[in-house]
Amino acid sequence: TQLLEQSPQFLSIQEGENLTVYCNSSSVFSSLQWYRQEPGEGPVLLVTVVTGGEVKKLKRLTFQFGDARKDSSLHITAAQPGDTGLYLCAVLGGKLIFGQGTTLQVKP
Amino acid sequence: DAMVIQNPRYQVTQFGKPVTLSCSQTLNHNVMYWYQQKSSQAPKLLFHYYDKDFNNEADTPDNFQSRRPNTSFCFLDIRSPGLGDAAMYLCATSREWASEGYTFGSGTRLTVV
Repeated sequence: TQLLEQSPQFLSIQEGENLTVYCNSSSVFSSLQWYRQEPGEGPVLLVTVVTGGEVKKLKRLTFQFGDARKDSSLHITAAQPGDTGLYLCAVLGGKLIFGQGTTLQVKP
Repeated sequence: DAMVIQNPRYQVTQFGKPVTLSCSQTLNHNVMYWYQQKSSQAPKLLFHYYDKDFNNEADTPDNFQSRRPNTSFCFLDIRSPGLGDAAMYLCATSREWASEGYTFGSGTRLTVV
């Protein structure tokens, strides 16, 4: 059983569309992180959310931590081909534990 | 820039032939990690070093070993690579265990022929 369930697993959209990726769990976390991994590279930390209900924005990316600190979402506005990659949510449960990831492909 | 560097970026090895992957860091972090990542999957932790203390994950096969001769370097040794070991191998560091700030290297793509 996965501690973090991400959905969808795969997403293929056209440039300019909006999308939302979800990260869900039945456990409560003190913080949650989102990483982006481009093909052939290591994951790069995008954001850490720590407060229930917190919303953080990074240009066209909006991250939200659920009120109960069990889930999180990543919304991308007007997706661009450069957004293509694997999006991973992760929590520190002693070690860094990742969700299964969402593979996003943005077509020009 | 302080960073985590993995060499080589791409490695091809023969079935059963020992191979070593390298990781170095300039961050002076205490903890170094090795992850295995198969296509479109999440990285899976193999083991980590806290300073010189080695910590193996329970489900890491015996075929995988690691060495950390000093703070800056950490090696992943695969004693007898099988076809199922073909993957991206990621090195990461953090200042402390369970520290929020993980820095990943660019990875080594291992192909087994």
